[in-house]
Amino acid sequence: NAGVTQTPKFQVLKTGQSMTLQCAQDMNHNSMYWYRQDPGMGLRLIYYSASEGTTDKGEVPNGYNVSRLNKREFSLRLESAAPSQTSVYFCASSASVPYGYTFGSGTRLTVV
Amino acid sequence: KNQVEQSPQSLIILEGKNCTLQCNYTVSPFSNLRWYKQDTGRGPVSLTIMTFSENTKSNGRYTATLDADTKQSSLHITASQLSDSASYICVVRVNDYKLSFGAGTTVTVRA
Repeated sequence: NAGVTQTPKFQVLKTGQSMTLQCAQDMNHNSMYWYRQDPGMGLRLIYYSASEGTTDKGEVPNGYNVSRLNKREFSLRLESAAPSQTSVYFCASSASVPYGYTFGSGTRLTVV
Repeated sequence: KNQVEQSPQSLIILEGKNCTLQCNYTVSPFSNLRWYKQDTGRGPVSLTIMTFSENTKSNGRYTATLDADTKQSSLHITASQLSDSASYICVVRVNDYKLSFGAGTTVTVRA
């Protein structure tokens, strides 16, 4: 099925560990995004990639890095996880004109 | 301060009844407003997208309205079904690559 695929779905990390969240889309969308969702708050943009080869910071980029590996894939890396990074992470993609975002199913990350 | 405020935070309705969710925003300039449905454990799915010139848009039993002058939007659910139990999120486009999300209204439909 067409859409946005995120892996893993669940992850528990110890403080200081690193990990990479993977995201791939098969809709030939140019733009991709990483968001985090915390209880009682709206989704917040971490990083985005307007097109292949470019990445930019969003509202809450501290503690994260991203890589736009190719047009399909956009990964999010936590170099040294902190408890404040416990959240649900969503990847999304959109066509050049940013209407109609398509979201993945999310990665639930717990940092202990 | 969040630029998109939704009310109520949560509500419970009986199957078959109607309900209306509210969204107030302060984002300016404004280009479009979206409503998303998010089922538990899933990503948001788009219900409607409205530009500033549109007053209403429907998607099946979901009808969104927009008053750009008062910066208010509502989502009306008609003849609710159990499958309507979800979080409904109001989203305003800030610029080309930034959306401002409300915290959502959790709707529970009971038989």
